[in-house]
Amino acid sequence: NAGVMQNPRHLVRRRGQEARLRCSPMKGHSHVYWYRQLPEEGLKFMVYLQKENIIDESGMPKERFSAEFPKEGPSILRIQQVVRGDSAAYFCASSLDVGDQPQHFGDGTRLSIL
Amino acid sequence: GENVEQHPSTLSVQEGDSAVIKCTYSDSASNYFPWYKQELGKGPQLIIDIRSNVGEKKDQRIAVTLNKTAKHFSLHITETQPEDSAVYFCAAGPGGNNRLAFGKGNQVVVIP
Repeated sequence: NAGVMQNPRHLVRRRGQEARLRCSPMKGHSHVYWYRQLPEEGLKFMVYLQKENIIDESGMPKERFSAEFPKEGPSILRIQQVVRGDSAAYFCASSLDVGDQPQHFGDGTRLSIL
Repeated sequence: GENVEQHPSTLSVQEGDSAVIKCTYSDSASNYFPWYKQELGKGPQLIIDIRSNVGEKKDQRIAVTLNKTAKHFSLHITETQPEDSAVYFCAAGPGGNNRLAFGKGNQVVVIP
């Protein structure tokens, strides 16, 4: 019973490049959440998606960041024209569609900007 | 928005003793309070959660208590073992499928 799968585990980009982070939710889960974690900090909410819909993007920067969760395939968090401040661990969580369900996390993508 | 604070930031306990971590939250609309354990290089792992309609929940050596009036909740780990050493995060949210607000985490060190 596979958990939330994120790839790549580590990603290195130079300033100005694009970063694409992928998240496959647990089987049967249709809700996906993205969080960002800076060193020695808690997780900060970025965006909540259901299949083909963005439900809450209030935690995501208005520029350079976008997220999608298509009908088929993983959810993608995309960061364009990366800057040093984007260096962080990005975690994805998923939950079931029924009622009050807990969020289960993947092992994250560690993004480093040179 | 919701603001969650955790105390203490670091906690060292002797193996076999109990560890208690406290969190406070600010938004009275929060109804769901999960605790996560994070080991180095891994993602947060849900260890226990509580909803606002109960005051306490237990699962083997782990328990969580909730005081909605005072807006605080605590994680209790009894008979600590070296494998309990990790960073523990509390979180709060309105329940349902919704965003969570996390505390900054507690580093728990269990000394053998």
